[in-house]
Amino acid sequence: ETGVTQSPTHLIKTRGQQVTLRCSSQSGHNTVSWYQQALGQGPQFIFQYYREEENGRGNFPPRFSGLQFPNYSSELNVNALELDDSALYLCASSRDSLGEQYFGPGTRLTVT
Amino acid sequence: AQSVSQHNHHVILSEAASLELGCNYSYGGTVNLFWYVQYPGQHLQLLLKYFSGDPLVKGIKGFEAEFIKSKFSFNLRKPSVQWSDTAEYFCAVNEPRDDKIIFGKGTRLHILP
Repeated sequence: ETGVTQSPTHLIKTRGQQVTLRCSSQSGHNTVSWYQQALGQGPQFIFQYYREEENGRGNFPPRFSGLQFPNYSSELNVNALELDDSALYLCASSRDSLGEQYFGPGTRLTVT
Repeated sequence: AQSVSQHNHHVILSEAASLELGCNYSYGGTVNLFWYVQYPGQHLQLLLKYFSGDPLVKGIKGFEAEFIKSKFSFNLRKPSVQWSDTAEYFCAVNEPRDDKIIFGKGTRLHILP
């Protein structure tokens, strides 16, 4: 059984740019949740995708958007990057929207 | 809004010492409770969870946690820690019909060999 994978591992962007992060869910999982973990903080929920539809959103502005594909992999897009967007972005997949979440290794984004 | 407080940001113990990490949450209704662990260089993984039933929950690697509803607490315990328990520990909560999990800020545990 393949676990949750994320790409890229690290990324450096400049303020104002746009970024796309990718997540492949664990086999058999149809739900992907995205979290932002700033340095010294716990993960904060961004949004969840269930069967290709957004299924809940945390307190993040609209410039954070996402997609889920028919194979249940997912993308997180962030437009107009700000310095405070520098963080570890975690993806978690689950068997359904309320199931146990399995986390990927994260993508570390640095905005300069 | 729900919130989770972890009382200790950094804990240092010697091997064989007993461990208790505090966690309190703010929501007064029915909740699901979790402890996650992140070992150095590894993914965040579930240590144990409480949904209902026996308030004393046993997890992997000898960890347990007790849900005390009257105190809004879900403290993590281990009677005798090992060097391999060095990691960051996160307490988390969600409402049973909600998809988002609210995490605490984490406690960094360092075990001296």
